[in-house]
Amino acid sequence: SQTIHQWPATLVQPVGSPLSLECTVEGTSNPNLYWYRQAAGRGLQLLFYSVGIGQISSEVPQNLSASRPQDRQFILSSKKLLLSDSGFYLCAWGSGQETQYFGPGTRLLVL
Amino acid sequence: DAKTTQPPSMDCAEGRAANLPCNHSTISGNEYVYWYRQIHSQGPQYIIHGLKNNETNEMASLIITEDRKSSTLILPHATLRDTAVYYCIVRASYSGGGADGLTFGKGTHLIIQP
Repeated sequence: SQTIHQWPATLVQPVGSPLSLECTVEGTSNPNLYWYRQAAGRGLQLLFYSVGIGQISSEVPQNLSASRPQDRQFILSSKKLLLSDSGFYLCAWGSGQETQYFGPGTRLLVL
Repeated sequence: DAKTTQPPSMDCAEGRAANLPCNHSTISGNEYVYWYRQIHSQGPQYIIHGLKNNETNEMASLIITEDRKSSTLILPHATLRDTAVYYCIVRASYSGGGADGLTFGKGTHLIIQP
């Protein structure tokens, strides 16, 4: 069966520091991968998606970036965090008819 | 993707059936109805989806009206663990070569009362 992992589970970072969040999927090959963000009290916002290694599409211009170095690995990064980057970051995978399955999330607090 | 309308909150007694409505009057012929839920501090969980026929799985049943302009998610025997925000999403399936994110609205906060 397929599983999706995210780490870290929680993170507290100072403004201006770098960020790296990792997502890995097991039990499937060539999945579509997604990064979403959920700010406090708000809905999910799609940030990036990828249909294959090295292929990244950005939905929202911002100081975040994403990379897919391996088929089942998706990384979300920032060189300098802003206060507004705080939120709950969710990775998801999908294939076929695009039912998407979400990971447990990373809660990021930027101070 | 078509827009959906859901009540902001609902209560249901434990052990009873929870019926969550969703309006999607602008749905087009190739759009599916998906339901997800999000328990506090967790990632969204896929529940069920359908095109025009009613669907049932181990978690829930999905009833779609004949004109497809609305649907109802049914949790047959609600438990306290079913307390969550339930999202109804309308989305076209894609065919090869691309991908698309899910658009989550505000959903319905379902509270199961003991």
